[in-house]
Amino acid sequence: DVKVTQSSRYLVKRTGEKVFLECVQDMDHENMFWYRQDPGLGLRLIYFSYDVKMKEKGDIPEGYSVSREKKERFSLILESASTNQTSMYLCASVTPPGTAFEQYFGPGTRLTVT
Amino acid sequence: AQSVSQHNHHVILSEAASLELGCNYSYGGTVNLFWYVQYPGQHLQLLLKYFSGDPLVKGIKGFEAEFIKSKFSFNLRKPSVQWSDTAEYFCAVSPPGTYKYIFGTGTRLKVLA
Repeated sequence: DVKVTQSSRYLVKRTGEKVFLECVQDMDHENMFWYRQDPGLGLRLIYFSYDVKMKEKGDIPEGYSVSREKKERFSLILESASTNQTSMYLCASVTPPGTAFEQYFGPGTRLTVT
Repeated sequence: AQSVSQHNHHVILSEAASLELGCNYSYGGTVNLFWYVQYPGQHLQLLLKYFSGDPLVKGIKGFEAEFIKSKFSFNLRKPSVQWSDTAEYFCAVSPPGTYKYIFGTGTRLKVLA
């Protein structure tokens, strides 16, 4: 069974703080994705990574950056948190696109920026 | 731009009622299609997927979906829902061989006991 863990379930940060969200998967997948989930908007892709040190912007990368130093770990960074980044953040570990391309999601981190 | 539409945002049903959740996508080429489910307090998980072959796909917990290419649709169905099916359901589309993965906005299903 694929296991995807995220460092925190709930996080409260102040405006302007730098925020790190960590995601770890144990299935040796090359592909990992970060989404934010907001009511009525579904899941929106922030960034994805298809290999160590490789990353691509998703649909809403502004205000975020990512780091992939090891295959199993994909970090999302909010350089200077703002209230409009209050959201649920989901990490996914993904099988290759030529195969089933299934996404295995972590439990999510609910971030509140005050 | 490619998109996925889920027209029903909230659905309320009584137990044993039949369910059909709509999903339409806009993409001209071949696509892989998915339904994911998020039960209250749990993480998103795959319900079923379509890659090729029989357009009627069966998933877990008695769910099925039918791919109708001419209608660009992939509707989710269940003949008789249970209280435990209360969840949010997301349709997703991915063109094969790409990293692109487009989710719909989700449908919240509430099943009354």
